This record gives sequence, C-alpha cells and structure tokens, in this order.
Amino acid sequence: QSALTQPASVSGSPGQSVTISCTGLSSGVATYNRVSWYQQHPGKVPKLVIYEVTQRPSGVSSRFSGSTSGSTAFLTISALQADDEGTYFCCSFTGSWLFGGGTRLTVL
Amino acid sequence: QVTLKESGPVLVKPTETLTLTCTVSGFSLIDRMGVSWIRQPPGKALEWLAQVFSNRETSYSTSLQTRLNISKDTSKGQVVLTMSNVDPADTGTYFCARIFGGALFYGFDIWGQGTWVSVSS
Repeated sequence: QSALTQPASVSGSPGQSVTISCTGLSSGVATYNRVSWYQQHPGKVPKLVIYEVTQRPSGVSSRFSGSTSGSTAFLTISALQADDEGTYFCCSFTGSWLFGGGTRLTVL
Repeated sequence: QVTLKESGPVLVKPTETLTLTCTVSGFSLIDRMGVSWIRQPPGKALEWLAQVFSNRETSYSTSLQTRLNISKDTSKGQVVLTMSNVDPADTGTYFCARIFGGALFYGFDIWGQGTWVSVSS
C-alpha cells in the first residue's frame, strides 16, 4: 500500500465544522470500504470514531461523520467542542493495515 | 467488559529480541476474533505491526515481517509478539487492539493501555 496522507493540522472554533482529509486510498479500499478513523487525546489510547467509511460505533457522537470521494476519505466533525481537540488518524485495510500520519485538531 | 492489557520489558538493548504479551478478557480468541499489535513512536503516527486470528492465520507489516512473529495461546487468553534485532528506532508505545468485525476488518474497537518500550544500550 502507498502512504495515506493527512494534513498536519486543522483548527476551528467551537460550534464550527472541520473536515480532515486522508488521501492515497487504494482502489481495493474504495471497493470494500475498509476505512476507519481514530481520535487520540494526548497521552491517551486511540479511540475508534468511524469504521467502514461512514459508520459510527455505539457511543460515538453523531457530530462525527465520514465519507469518501475517489481515493480520499474525509472525517467531518460538526459543532466543534473543546473535547474534540486531539490527533486524528485515518486507517485503511487491503490485506494489511495502513495508518495516516495524523492530523492535530485545535479548537480555538 | 472487553479489555486488553499489554506487558513486557520497559528497556531493551539494541540487537536483543523484544517479547510483548497481550492478555485479553471479556472475549475469547476462538470466537472468530483477531488481535493486532500497533506501535507509536513518541510524537509520531500509529504503525500497524501484525495480526493473528482465531484460526491462527497471521499477517505482518511488509517492512518489518522479517523481524516479527505473532502467536496466540487461547487457553491463557494471550497474544504474544516478538521482535528481533531491536534498534533505538523501535522505541515507543506498543498497543494491542481487537479487530472490530473480525474478518470483516472494520477497524480496531478496543485497545489496550499501551506499554512503553525503550531501546537503548
């Protein structure tokens, strides 16, 4: 698999929406929708927030949503809250797992 | 409650072999479940290392496969990862995580707390 590229950082004010991109998905991923997203607060364990491109695990806020377009996956967080601040990683699976480099979200 | 817990040495010398153990509870390693090891150097991204499934099928990171071995002991509820010939670049936090959806490979839904490993002479 080639690398998954994410922007190093994004920011937004409380109440706003932000979108994080993840480019470099292989065609296999686009076909089988094996894209997931993880939130990691500093010093904490990653938390699954989106799987299968658009699905939210039980207990994850509906403010988190996912999508894809071509070879890019997107994570959108609406109505930003202070607790959303952290680093977000995309991940894809096509026989093996590949993580993106991570995007640090700052809530202004 | 489903939990995973990593254990292993905090300090390893270069060229030595690192052995990490993931002890799971709340689910069985025979229930069509998979467990992966994932690491994170300080301040850097997550990196997937290896996975093992209930049928003992394994797969490895292409870049590290010659140095890794993953196995499971169902009776003990443990998944063991060994990494040979360690280098300071292997320093970081090592996580084990359950593969959500098993062979559907949805992602990693339950993570251990992570164990810190430092490679230094």
